[in-house]
Amino acid sequence: GDSVTQTEGQVALSEEDFLTIHCNYSASGYPTLFWYVQYPGEGPQLLFRASRDKEKGSSRGFEATYDKGTTSFHLRKASVQESDSAVYYCALSDRTNAYKVIFGKGTHLHVLP
Amino acid sequence: GPKVLQIPSHQIIDMGQMVTLNCDPVSNHLYFYWYKQILGQQMEFLVNFYNGKVMEKSKLFKDQFSVERPDGSYFTLKIQPTALEDSAVYFCASSSRLGASYEQYFGPGTRLTVL
Repeated sequence: GDSVTQTEGQVALSEEDFLTIHCNYSASGYPTLFWYVQYPGEGPQLLFRASRDKEKGSSRGFEATYDKGTTSFHLRKASVQESDSAVYYCALSDRTNAYKVIFGKGTHLHVLP
Repeated sequence: GPKVLQIPSHQIIDMGQMVTLNCDPVSNHLYFYWYKQILGQQMEFLVNFYNGKVMEKSKLFKDQFSVERPDGSYFTLKIQPTALEDSAVYFCASSSRLGASYEQYFGPGTRLTVL
């Protein structure tokens, strides 16, 4: 079945560092890809999505580009802030899975002041 | 933004008892979902629900699980009887329509502990 792999379980950075969280997916169809962010005590909230090859999604300085060739959707931010500390989930959804959201394991980002 | 509420935030019960988890979805949404997240693992789809019926369920949605939304009130997940492996955080979500273009809004989760 479809799946999402995030290789980093925890990432610790200092403010103004560059962030990369790796995400690779496996899907039989042509999925829409998402990044969700979850703050303590809250549910996941959509950061952005991309639906086509080479499409870039972005929000709040975060961005990721849909790459069908490498089946990747890596999250990047040029300069992180302490307020970016949260759990980040890569996810996918497509018609072959009745549009349920399939999540990766999540990456816990700690940004130190 | 739109909010999904979940009640209670925490529930501790003894194995074999019944539990009902409540979800107050976004007011004009028509599609409802439950996801399960065991500690340290990824969030996994359980079931989605539309127009009074289960549309799709995963293999995690055991026979002991049921969902309903009587008269447009809470969307509920009932587990009867509970088992130790049901301990997890359960997230409710809702969307206005079905499709990857329609955002699923998630609640903060109910942490269920089965002793």
